[in-house]
Amino acid sequence: ETGVTQTPRHLVMGMTNKKSLKCEQHLGHNAMYWYKQSAKKPLELMFVYSLEERVENNSVPSRFSPECPNSSHLFLHLHTLQPEDSALYLCASSLRSGPGQPLNTEAFFGQGTRLTVV
Amino acid sequence: AQKVTQAQTEISVVEKEDVTLDCVYETRDTTYYLFWYKQPPSGELVFLIRRNSFDEQNEISGRYSWNFQKSTSSFNFTITASQVVDSAVYFCALTPLSNFGNEKLTFGTGTRLTIIP
Repeated sequence: ETGVTQTPRHLVMGMTNKKSLKCEQHLGHNAMYWYKQSAKKPLELMFVYSLEERVENNSVPSRFSPECPNSSHLFLHLHTLQPEDSALYLCASSLRSGPGQPLNTEAFFGQGTRLTVV
Repeated sequence: AQKVTQAQTEISVVEKEDVTLDCVYETRDTTYYLFWYKQPPSGELVFLIRRNSFDEQNEISGRYSWNFQKSTSSFNFTITASQVVDSAVYFCALTPLSNFGNEKLTFGTGTRLTIIP
């Protein structure tokens, strides 16, 4: 039990499909993240949500659309993807502190969704 | 801008040997955190250690030890008496503390470690 659960673990989709990745954390964290892991490249931060508000969007194409309905759930909606979007998509969560409080905890990661776009 | 370099793409050692994974970083921030994560075949990144930039004490945890040297911007990770279960991809990462509440965790490209039985 990692505390961060991602579903599905594997996904194959066509370029015209619409699908969603789901992430759920049971750690009481208040920040959640989407990362993309491609072969031989560093992990790329895609989106950050803090207290359900998006605070980071690293120039991600609009075919990726995140949603954070509450502090425990994070979605990544996918539509009209390209083959180069095939990768491992990792969700993470952490506890962000407020002003005057101890600094953030380390990020805890899910097992990822292996996405293949055909 | 910040950058993390893990020059060793792949390392293979025989079981029980010691192995050191290198990590060199670049940052303009004066305060920051450094991390090591392990990614086994199952996919999730497992947190191993966090070190802040104003604490240069080396740390040992069982067979794992970390050598942080601010003067050379390095944060190397050593596994002593390696075991097959240590086989994984290991990532070094960096986040500034100055950018409060909006950390930008920058990862290296990872080192794939294979322990040969």
